[in-house]
Amino acid sequence: AQSVTQLDSQVPVFEEAPVELRCNYSSSVSVYLFWYVQYPNQGLQLLLKYLSGSTLVKGINGFEAEFNKSQTSFHLRKPSVHISDTAEYFCAVRRMNRDDKIIFGKGTRLHILP
Amino acid sequence: NAGVTQTPKFQVLKTGQSMTLQCAQDMNHNSMYWYRQDPGMGLRLIYYSASEGTTDKGEVPNGYNVSRLNKREFSLRLESAAPSQTSVYFCASSSNALIGHGYTFGSGTRLTVV
Repeated sequence: AQSVTQLDSQVPVFEEAPVELRCNYSSSVSVYLFWYVQYPNQGLQLLLKYLSGSTLVKGINGFEAEFNKSQTSFHLRKPSVHISDTAEYFCAVRRMNRDDKIIFGKGTRLHILP
Repeated sequence: NAGVTQTPKFQVLKTGQSMTLQCAQDMNHNSMYWYRQDPGMGLRLIYYSASEGTTDKGEVPNGYNVSRLNKREFSLRLESAAPSQTSVYFCASSSNALIGHGYTFGSGTRLTVV
């Protein structure tokens, strides 16, 4: 079975400052990794994903994430946040090569301070 | 492309009333899912359907039933609503040919049971 732990439920950060949202996962098999974003009163949309290859993946809106197999982590980063980045961010895993259900973390709410 | 369409967007029910949440996708996806989202709990899987004619329980199936009417449609029924079912419900779909793409989500149904 797979599990996902998002280490921070809320992260406040000043506008234009860098941010890191932490995610650790557990799985006995190889997995795909995802970050989804949910803007206020909207559904979830895919931010970025790691399937294979380069461990640094880039997504929309200037976000990037790094896959670290030895630490079973997939932390999300942005060098300079904007007020429009206010949202909830979900880390997720899915078994590789299987059309199986995705396991989500509990989410991290990003608060951008003016 | 409409993607995943959920209806209704908002609903208020009295305790004991029944209702069906509708979900339809136009992407020819095999798998469909129903999640509920509650503050601090992340997304919890209620039921899923790996293909037309099959359904399986997720993490929190009690109080719900589902029907995979055809490949496009996957409905969620509350037979006797309870205040504990107040939540935001999301439908999602995925393709077994595009596993690395993750899910496509609907915009959600906000349900209040009074």
